[in-house]
Amino acid sequence: AQSVTQLGSHVSVSEGALVLLRCNYSSSVPPYLFWYVQYPNQGLQLLLKYTTGATLVKGINGFEAEFKKSETSFHLTKPSAHMSDAAEYFCAVSRMDSSYKLIFGSGTRLLVRP
Amino acid sequence: NAGVTQTPKFQVLKTGQSMTLQCAQDMNHEYMSWYRQDPGMGLRLIHYSVGAGITDQGEVPNGYNVSRSTTEDFPLRLLSAAPSQTSVYFCASIQSSGNTIYFGEGSWLTVV
Repeated sequence: AQSVTQLGSHVSVSEGALVLLRCNYSSSVPPYLFWYVQYPNQGLQLLLKYTTGATLVKGINGFEAEFKKSETSFHLTKPSAHMSDAAEYFCAVSRMDSSYKLIFGSGTRLLVRP
Repeated sequence: NAGVTQTPKFQVLKTGQSMTLQCAQDMNHEYMSWYRQDPGMGLRLIHYSVGAGITDQGEVPNGYNVSRSTTEDFPLRLLSAAPSQTSVYFCASIQSSGNTIYFGEGSWLTVV
């Protein structure tokens, strides 16, 4: 069975500091991996995804993530946090089979201090 | 969220009432899903469908029914609403390659 673990339900950084949101997954088959962002009272917005190919994936708003198969990780980073990055972030994994079911982590709320 | 339309966006129900959350997509995708989002739990899969006439249960199916009579539509029915079903619901439509997923804008449901 697949699962996703996001370490830290809340992460607080200062404006301009590095953002690191952790995601580990388990999957018996090669996964697709996703990061979504959700602003208050809004829907989900795709930040980036890994399907195949290059393991370092660049997304929108300056975010990137690296797929590390040996560590079963897909951590999200951004070199310099902006106040506008304050939101909730979800990591998700899906199976490359006929179901394409997405399994989500429990989410990490990013707080950005001025 | 182009292509996936969810209605209504907000709804308040009384315990025991029934209602249907509508989801429609115009991308001819075979795969569609319903998720619910609760604080601290991420999104959990309720039901999914791999094509017209084919549905299956996800992680939290109890209290919900679905049907898929057409490729475009995948309604979610609450037969007898309970306060535990207060949540935000998201419909998703998935491209056949599986690597692109389109979400609706969400439906905020409160059961009192």
